[in-house]
Amino acid sequence: NAGVTQTPKFQVLKTGQSMTLQCAQDMNHEYMSWYRQDPGMGLRLIHYSVGAGITDQGEVPNGYNVSRSTTEDFPLRLLSAAPSQTSVYFCASSYSRGISNYGYTFGSGTRLTVV
Amino acid sequence: GENVGLHLPTLSVQEGDNSIINCAYSNSASDYFIWYKQESGKGPQFIIDIRSNMDKRQGQRVTVLLNKTVKHLSLQIAATQPGDSAVYFCAENVDSSYKLIFGSGTRLLVRP
Repeated sequence: NAGVTQTPKFQVLKTGQSMTLQCAQDMNHEYMSWYRQDPGMGLRLIHYSVGAGITDQGEVPNGYNVSRSTTEDFPLRLLSAAPSQTSVYFCASSYSRGISNYGYTFGSGTRLTVV
Repeated sequence: GENVGLHLPTLSVQEGDNSIINCAYSNSASDYFIWYKQESGKGPQFIIDIRSNMDKRQGQRVTVLLNKTVKHLSLQIAATQPGDSAVYFCAENVDSSYKLIFGSGTRLLVRP
């Protein structure tokens, strides 16, 4: 049981390049989400998914696309990288909102630099 | 939009003392709150949560207090240890959705 796995851990892009940040979970969680964390700040929600085939926008969705073809995977695509997208990206998952705690599990992050 | 904020950006405590980290939230519809701990280079780690129908919840060495009247949340850490040094975030969940809104964080420094 690996939890939430993010790849790559580090990435440097040139302005205008595109790339996909990978996120996979092996806990059969319904809910997955992507956050970005800028220096000295909290996490801001980019996109989220409540199940395979269902995605929605968070607080800061511009410049990012997502898809959820399987329960396990939730990739985040940068269409045309900009320096403002330099950040640390975290993927998180949880089983269900339910009555008890959500049990959000976070990955270890991808540090992205756009030059 | 809704905002979850923290009163103190940095808190320095002596090892063995108790720590109190505060958080203010602005959305009265928030019904679930979580405290996370984030160590350098790692993702946030769940510490403790509380639902809006409670005002106190205790875990191992940690207690969360919720005051809905003034929209205030606090995390108390008993007998603070060097391993508690990290950034602590509160997060709120609004209107029974899946989305969590995070505060900006408080850095806890434990002096030996």
